[in-house]
This record gives sequence, C-alpha cells and structure tokens, in this order.
Amino acid sequence: DAGITQSPRHKVTETGTPVTLRCHQTENHRYMYWYRQDPGHGLRLIHYSYGVKDTDKGEVSDGYSVSRSKTEDFLLTLESATSSQTSVYFCAIMRTGGPDGELFFGEGSRLTVL
Amino acid sequence: AQTVTQSQPEMSVQEAETVTLSCTYDTSESNYYLFWYKQPPSRQMILVIRQEAYKQQNATENRFSVNFQKAAKSFSLKISDSQLGDTAMYFCAFIHMDTGRRALTFGSGTRLQVQP
Repeated sequence: DAGITQSPRHKVTETGTPVTLRCHQTENHRYMYWYRQDPGHGLRLIHYSYGVKDTDKGEVSDGYSVSRSKTEDFLLTLESATSSQTSVYFCAIMRTGGPDGELFFGEGSRLTVL
Repeated sequence: AQTVTQSQPEMSVQEAETVTLSCTYDTSESNYYLFWYKQPPSRQMILVIRQEAYKQQNATENRFSVNFQKAAKSFSLKISDSQLGDTAMYFCAFIHMDTGRRALTFGSGTRLQVQP
C-alpha cells in the first residue's frame, strides 16, 4: 500500500461544468503525477509536480490545470469539462528513497462527461 | 521526445505456456530505466519488473524476465509457465533519470489473455 487516495473514485458530470479530482498521499514524497487512461492510448501524462508549487505539463495538458499547495495533496482541475475528457484518471507518486523511477499508483478515478 | 511502442494490441496464450510481449522505445539519452506494469481487471497498476539501462544483465522476477537489447532499443517481457492470474493489460514504460523533472512514458499496452 503506497498510501495514495484518489477522490472521487467515480463521477458523472455534464459538459461545461468544473471538476476537481484530488490525490492525497500520506508519505510526503516529492513527485506526484496525474495520468489519464484511454483505450488504445495506454497512460498519458497530464501534469506532474516535483515539489510544492512546482508543476509541469505533460503530453495531454490542454484543458487541465493542477495545484499543489502542500506536499500531500495534488489537485487536478477541469475548468470546463468536455466529453473528450471522459476517462479514467490515475494519480501516482515516486517514492523518495525508493527504487529509482518506479511509480506507485492510486486506484483510479472514472470520470464520465455527458 | 521519447516514445514507447507496443506493437501487439492483444495476445493469447495457453496456461503453462510461454509468451513474449514486445516493446521498443526511442531516446537519445543514456541514463534511463525501463519497466513493465501489469493492470488486471481490478484496474490496479502493478509493477512486474524493472531494468536499469546501465546494467547489461537482463532482469528476472520469478516467472517474468526481460530481453533488453540496448542498441536495438528493445525491451521484451517473457512470461514463463503462464497462469490464469496473468490475464491483464501489460504496459511498457520508460523514464529518464538525468534531470530533476522525471515522469514515466507508457506504451499503448498489450492485452494478454491466458486460456485454460
């Protein structure tokens, strides 16, 4: 158990509404990530963070923003959800002092945008 | 930009047989790690095996082993004595280690079905 909690685990929303997904870790690791998983695409990086207030874009960052105001929480926000953002979203951490490069994943959040 | 390619969207194997999943990657860097992750129907992402690029010896973990061909940028996964519990999506992934900003790049996955 890597101590990662994602919330909500399931959400159905309507096009144009804002949505925030939360990732919480209990171990104060530096690196946190948001990926989305879609059939045929594997996992694609949306944004990641390498410290409090330090974030960077991934390959599919358009339409998403993130915030990390404290070590344990990494928030992913869809300012105005679209149907193309229907997906399963995974949060992950890289453990400080753990095996280099290895990511530990949350259980995923399924988002449906109608 | 680095890319990871898994050219086999689906594969099937009989229980107790051996199967090999293919992965190629593209990078100009020298310090990187490679991984295989497994995702069963539960959706949980589980690390299967990892390989450091500087190590010539292929990694093994029980029934799982890799064939790492650095010059060819190939990283295949061999599953021996396949079991029903090996049925899952398998993702190849890659990460550079030389910068302070690190993130895994994943392939599109191979769905493996183990038949009884």
